Amino acid sequence: AQSVTQLGSHVSVSEGALVLLRCNYSSSVPPYLFWYVQYPNQGLQLLLKYTSAATLVKGINGFEAEFKKSETSFHLTKPSAHMSDAAEYFCAVSGRNAGNMLTFGGGTRLMVKP
Amino acid sequence: GAVVSQHPSRVICKSGTSVKIECRSLDFQATTMFWYRQFPKKSLMLMATSNEGSKATYEQGVEKDKFLINHASLTLSTLTVTSAHPEDSSFYICSAPTPGTPMNEQFFGPGTRLTVL
Repeated sequence: AQSVTQLGSHVSVSEGALVLLRCNYSSSVPPYLFWYVQYPNQGLQLLLKYTSAATLVKGINGFEAEFKKSETSFHLTKPSAHMSDAAEYFCAVSGRNAGNMLTFGGGTRLMVKP
Repeated sequence: GAVVSQHPSRVICKSGTSVKIECRSLDFQATTMFWYRQFPKKSLMLMATSNEGSKATYEQGVEKDKFLINHASLTLSTLTVTSAHPEDSSFYICSAPTPGTPMNEQFFGPGTRLTVL
């Protein structure tokens, strides 16, 4: 069994400020972890993924996330927010077996103020 | 990179009619595709797993007769919402894993917005 909790359904930051989107997971097996971004009326785009290599994962658009097993967390960060980062962000978890499905968190809407 | 398309992007239909949504893998073959439903301001909920050449596997609580899935070829899966009602209005998204990657590494289509009047 696995689940994902994203703390904060809405996060607002000023342009240029640090972005921190929180994700905690629960998994009975070693997990794969993902962050996806969704722009209005579009599908999901993969930002980055953790698949058991380096615990600090770098993704597209300057985002990165750190896998912390002791905290069961996989928080997403970006040093400096840009207006174009405004979107919905989803954290997802799955087991490492090939047939394991993705389980999504509730999503966090990031708003960027000028 | 892998591309998954969906058609149509938006559809408006009258209550009681049926609507077909197509999901295509454009540059790879997909023996498995997934269909998700997303309510406004909500997360994605897996509806069913579409398997080429065999019956789809539906998640608990999803009506098989309501949401018909056909995976007739290695690049096309269709979702038909039968006898649609306003409560079926939602954003439907499909995804597919690319060959040689685990099923949890999925590429998503752009989604289809269904509005039932």
